[in-house]
Amino acid sequence: EPEVTQTPSHQVTQMGQEVILRCVPISNHLYFYWYRQILGQKVEFLVSFYNNEISEKSEIFDDQFSVERPDGSNFTLKIRSTKLEDSAMYFCASSALGYGYTFGSGTRLTVV
Amino acid sequence: TQLLEQSPQFLSIQEGENLTVYCNSSSVFSSLQWYRQEPGEGPVLLVTVVTGGEVKKLKRLTFQFGDARKDSSLHITAAQPGDTGLYLCAGGSGTSYGKLTFGQGTILTVHP
Repeated sequence: EPEVTQTPSHQVTQMGQEVILRCVPISNHLYFYWYRQILGQKVEFLVSFYNNEISEKSEIFDDQFSVERPDGSNFTLKIRSTKLEDSAMYFCASSALGYGYTFGSGTRLTVV
Repeated sequence: TQLLEQSPQFLSIQEGENLTVYCNSSSVFSSLQWYRQEPGEGPVLLVTVVTGGEVKKLKRLTFQFGDARKDSSLHITAAQPGDTGLYLCAGGSGTSYGKLTFGQGTILTVHP
């Protein structure tokens, strides 16, 4: 069964540092997403990406966040200057048609 | 802002019992998806329903999308300990990019 692969599985970073979370979506999928889940809270939409550009983003996705698809396989989320409140599980997802997502296992980001 | 309210938040039942989880909103969704999430993992898609009134069955699980596409239910027949987990509903937006709005989840525990 095809998988969405996320690395690293855990990341600890100091406040103010930049982090890059990496994802390899399913190869024939066209839509890519980042979601986050703060401990004990709902899964929240961050951004969707289609045809090499952001198609939609939430209020959470401010200027500190950026996404990139640097090659044909990777999809990255960068947080430029991390804050304590950025600590969360970050999930990458991809889909073929815009629904019926496949999620990765997530990256647990801890900002100290 | 679209919101999805899921109920109950917690459900503890004995093996063999039936149960229903509800997902309600005042907003219309283009699709409704149900996921199951294990601790430390990403959500795993169980089903997608897109047509008002649609009913889908997956073995002992029955999913229904309300006629007005504002609500959905998940019914499990003869629950088993292996059904224990976190169940999430998620509503798809009207765009083709498929942003999802998640409910807060139902933690199901099935006791042997």
